[in-house]
Amino acid sequence: GAGVSQSPSNKVTEKGKDVELRCDPISGHTALYWYRQRLGQGLEFLIYFQGNSAPDKSGLPSDRFSAERTGESVSTLTIQRTQQEDSAVYLCASSRGTINEQFFGPGTRLTVL
Amino acid sequence: GDSVTQMEGPVTLSEEAFLTINCTYTATGYPSLFWYVQYPGEGLQLLLKATKADDKGSNKGFEATYRKETTSFHLEKGSVQVSDSAVYFCALSSQGAQKLVFGQGTRLTINP
Repeated sequence: GAGVSQSPSNKVTEKGKDVELRCDPISGHTALYWYRQRLGQGLEFLIYFQGNSAPDKSGLPSDRFSAERTGESVSTLTIQRTQQEDSAVYLCASSRGTINEQFFGPGTRLTVL
Repeated sequence: GDSVTQMEGPVTLSEEAFLTINCTYTATGYPSLFWYVQYPGEGLQLLLKATKADDKGSNKGFEATYRKETTSFHLEKGSVQVSDSAVYFCALSSQGAQKLVFGQGTRLTINP
């Protein structure tokens, strides 16, 4: 079956532009997570969705970051007025429930020039 | 807050060597513990997990035991192969929390 997919796989943008990153979770997975992986570092949690609500947004670094999810399907992570420190790989994961294994997508590599 | 500290890399070994990658954690209560692996060019995938003290997770010849007394979850393999070359991440999930907290990752290279 299909795994978690993310698009685009790579995104290069100029400082100050807005970007949208997309995540398609595994069908039937109710929980969806966004993480960020900066070069040479571990993954940082950004936000978690259960269905289309976000009970935990504690990892969003600033109000330039927002995310939404449609039902138990696609999620988009939006970064407004991008800065160079936003450059990272953005990973999405989904799980069947909140205590089950998280399955990760391949990530979107964002480069802000 | 919760945190995970793992052995700094990179680690380079010869094929058939014994592998240990250390991982210690700080968390309240009884977290679940995980090792994730990221092979070159691939996404992150779960390698093994343990959900309570003294549990041993195992997969593909790798093992890790949940040690509450030392707050550790060290990854071991008796005889590594070139195909084990990857980045390994230790992670925890606290009771009542959904997010994973990751260590910084350890890059492992196995030479033939």
